[in-house]
Amino acid sequence: GQQLNQSPQSMFIQEGEDVSMNCTSSSIFNTWLWYKQDPGEGPVLLIALYKAGELTSNGRLTAQFGITRKDSFLNISASIPSDVGIYFCAGYPGGSQGNLIFGKGTKLSVKP
Amino acid sequence: DGGITQSPKYLFRKEGQNVTLSCEQNLNHDAMYWYRQDPGQGLRLIYYSQIVNDFQKGDIAEGYSVSREKKESFPLTVTSAQKNPTAFYLCASSRGPPNEQFFGPGTRLTVL
Repeated sequence: GQQLNQSPQSMFIQEGEDVSMNCTSSSIFNTWLWYKQDPGEGPVLLIALYKAGELTSNGRLTAQFGITRKDSFLNISASIPSDVGIYFCAGYPGGSQGNLIFGKGTKLSVKP
Repeated sequence: DGGITQSPKYLFRKEGQNVTLSCEQNLNHDAMYWYRQDPGQGLRLIYYSQIVNDFQKGDIAEGYSVSREKKESFPLTVTSAQKNPTAFYLCASSRGPPNEQFFGPGTRLTVL
């Protein structure tokens, strides 16, 4: 089946640093969604993208729908401790009314 | 407040017993979904329903059953046939593809 490759799998952040992560696929997607999940909680929707090339911000978070429609990027600027958690990308494949496909997540932790 | 509720938050079950997880939404969404999440893994789709009285198997439906008698409710039964039921279960709803899905807080099921 279709898969989303999300990278990096994990990363350590120091307060104030900018963070970048991405999601790629071998096939095109119509919609890209970015979620954050805290331990023991359900994922919370951060940003939704519907058009190729679209750049959308939500506070310190910025996400982009890649122009090839096969990738998406999430950036967090000036990270703070509460940014730690797992970030998931998800997308609807093009040409179908199929189900949402999820990446395996990027785990953000604080540098010791 | 509109949202999705799942109950209970924690559930313990003895091997060989069936157990039902509750999911209710007051967002007036047509579509509802059940996912399973294992440690360090992404989300895997168990069942979904795009309309009342209709539901479809997802990627890992074996050992699970659902019903959709009301638009607001989509309970999941984990049967004794499910070989490895200990996991975190997430319910979601949406207006249907390709719209964003919103998640409940999850139920952690532990089989003793």
